[in-house]
Amino acid sequence: ETGVTQTPRHLVMGMTNKKSLKCEQHLGHNAMYWYKQSAKKPLELMFVYSLEERVENNSVPSRFSPECPNSSHLFLHLHTLQPEDSALYLCASSQRQYQETQYFGPGTRLLVL
Amino acid sequence: AQKVTQAQTEISVVEKEDVTLDCVYETRDTTYYLFWYKQPPSGELVFLIRRNSFDEQNEISGRYSWNFQKSTSSFNFTITASQVVDSAVYFCALREDEAGGATNKLIFGTGTLLAVQP
Repeated sequence: ETGVTQTPRHLVMGMTNKKSLKCEQHLGHNAMYWYKQSAKKPLELMFVYSLEERVENNSVPSRFSPECPNSSHLFLHLHTLQPEDSALYLCASSQRQYQETQYFGPGTRLLVL
Repeated sequence: AQKVTQAQTEISVVEKEDVTLDCVYETRDTTYYLFWYKQPPSGELVFLIRRNSFDEQNEISGRYSWNFQKSTSSFNFTITASQVVDSAVYFCALREDEAGGATNKLIFGTGTLLAVQP
């Protein structure tokens, strides 16, 4: 399935910038996820939303702020990031929050200078 | 603690060769799910298979096959007659089942980069 889209695909930002990543799913799913993929490290779950409510926050620094205005859209607002935040940020969705296969978007490759 | 190990960092094969990607997992749960995803250079993680802990039957889908062995905590993935389009990073993942799977949290391995040469 290729029903999860992410924009932008690439982003370069300075440490003082504010930017947002957008994810949209066209699968009619009710749960959405943000993951971070850094080089040489396993994918790390950042946030989980179910029916637009945040149900998981994996000790993510406050410079990352998620927003889920409806079940089809998920944002990740970025503010005063650090160079070590450079990574591929992947969005995923699943039919429901529980015990469901997650389908991923293509990711946003972020570079923080 | 739950953990997924993919000991093979990189594998290079020539087209038409068979290749097996290893995955070993650790969990104390009796109920769990295992997954394989493919990540081509475009970045998107493509879902390949999901298997629950009560179903040890091996599965075949075209050139892909999976061997699930609870006795060795392994869930290996074999590609038969590999093709250049199979070149990608392959991830094995385990779904935690604490709190009844409430968070649907996937624990990923570090991935195996498969390069299929023409």
